[in-house]
Amino acid sequence: KNEVEQSPQNLTAQEGEFITINCSYSVGISALHWLQQHPGGGIVSLFMLSSGKKKHGRLIATINIQEKHSSLHITASHPRDSAVYICAVIPGNQFYFGTGTSLTVIP
Amino acid sequence: NAGVTQTPKFQVLKTGQSMTLQCAQDMNHEYMSWYRQDPGMGLRLIHYSVGAGITDQGEVPNGYNVSRSTTEDFPLRLLSAAPSQTSVYFCASSLQVPSNQPQHFGDGTRLSIL
Repeated sequence: KNEVEQSPQNLTAQEGEFITINCSYSVGISALHWLQQHPGGGIVSLFMLSSGKKKHGRLIATINIQEKHSSLHITASHPRDSAVYICAVIPGNQFYFGTGTSLTVIP
Repeated sequence: NAGVTQTPKFQVLKTGQSMTLQCAQDMNHEYMSWYRQDPGMGLRLIHYSVGAGITDQGEVPNGYNVSRSTTEDFPLRLLSAAPSQTSVYFCASSLQVPSNQPQHFGDGTRLSIL
């Protein structure tokens, strides 16, 4: 049983393209996180959302609580954006993670 | 400021051996957690702690023990290693229960059980 589904699983884009990664979840949550895992394995937190929209540089995250859906957008993509992007939800004290979207941005 | 420190970075064990993966944070975070990451399955929660002296099971706790005697340290013990425990293990911490708190991750421990 997967509480969190991400799409697409893999994504290849040309530098400069607008990118969208989707996350759907099936449980009631208090918040949703977007994480980035670098090719070397390190994981960093990008966004925490409980409603609406957040923006940080070229990254934008949105959430629709009623539809149980979130999107991560990258504007003007760059090769350094190549990473695995992971959606995680928190129904209580525990995280549930999507399997990640592997993004490759080609120069 | 070291953040979250995991040791060792790599380890090879034989089936049946025991070992402890260390996790320490210097940010005075109350919430700490252990995850394993396997290909195609994403991160899964093993155990977590909401403060010193308090631990609870996550999604995949079998074969693992934890303790939280101090705020800083949250070791993960494998009592009798099995090949199914071959994985990459991540420790993470946040100031409080992570509803709206950023998670800080360690660099991971790559563990192979032969």
